[in-house]
Amino acid sequence: EPEVTQTPSHQVTQMGQEVILRCVPISNHLYFYWYRQILGQKVEFLVSFYNNEISEKSEIFDDQFSVERPDGSNFTLKIRSTKLEDSAMYFCASRESPDGSYEQYFGPGTRLTVT
Amino acid sequence: AQSVTQLGSHVSVSEGALVLLRCNYSSSVPPYLFWYVQYPNQGLQLLLKYTSAATLVKGINGFEAEFKKSETSFHLTKPSAHMSDAAEYFCAVSLFYNQGGKLIFGQGTELSVKP
Repeated sequence: EPEVTQTPSHQVTQMGQEVILRCVPISNHLYFYWYRQILGQKVEFLVSFYNNEISEKSEIFDDQFSVERPDGSNFTLKIRSTKLEDSAMYFCASRESPDGSYEQYFGPGTRLTVT
Repeated sequence: AQSVTQLGSHVSVSEGALVLLRCNYSSSVPPYLFWYVQYPNQGLQLLLKYTSAATLVKGINGFEAEFKKSETSFHLTKPSAHMSDAAEYFCAVSLFYNQGGKLIFGQGTELSVKP
């Protein structure tokens, strides 16, 4: 069964450093998402991406964040200068259709620890 | 704006007992509703979804949920809990028409199953 993959599974970085989280969505999917889950809190939407541009972004997704689909398979989230409060689990998801009834498939997540 | 409220951050049941996880939503337009499960150190897996067809929805692993518009609820149930059901459960809403297609999650309910 096709699945969304994410690398690395755990990333430790120092405050102020740049990090890139990588995702490989399901191959025939066209809509891509990043969510994050701070420990003990709910899963929060960060950004959606379609046709090589951002469809929607949350207020969390400020100028420190960027997304990119550098080739036909990868989808990346970059945090330019990490803060302590960026420590969280980051989930990538993809979806086949713009129809909101379609399932989003989630990757296993990348745990980001900022020290 | 849409929102989801899950009543009870922790629910504990005995093996073989009824599982009831509560979810209420707020939406100004007809929503799509989802239940996801998260096992430790794994991503989110879809249990079931409501997409405006039958109000009683059956999902994987014996779970089902009923959409009640008058109560704005979408509670998740399972007649008989198994030890393997221990996990975190998330209720989420998506709009009927939402170009970005983001999911808005509830706070999550951790289900414990006692032998």
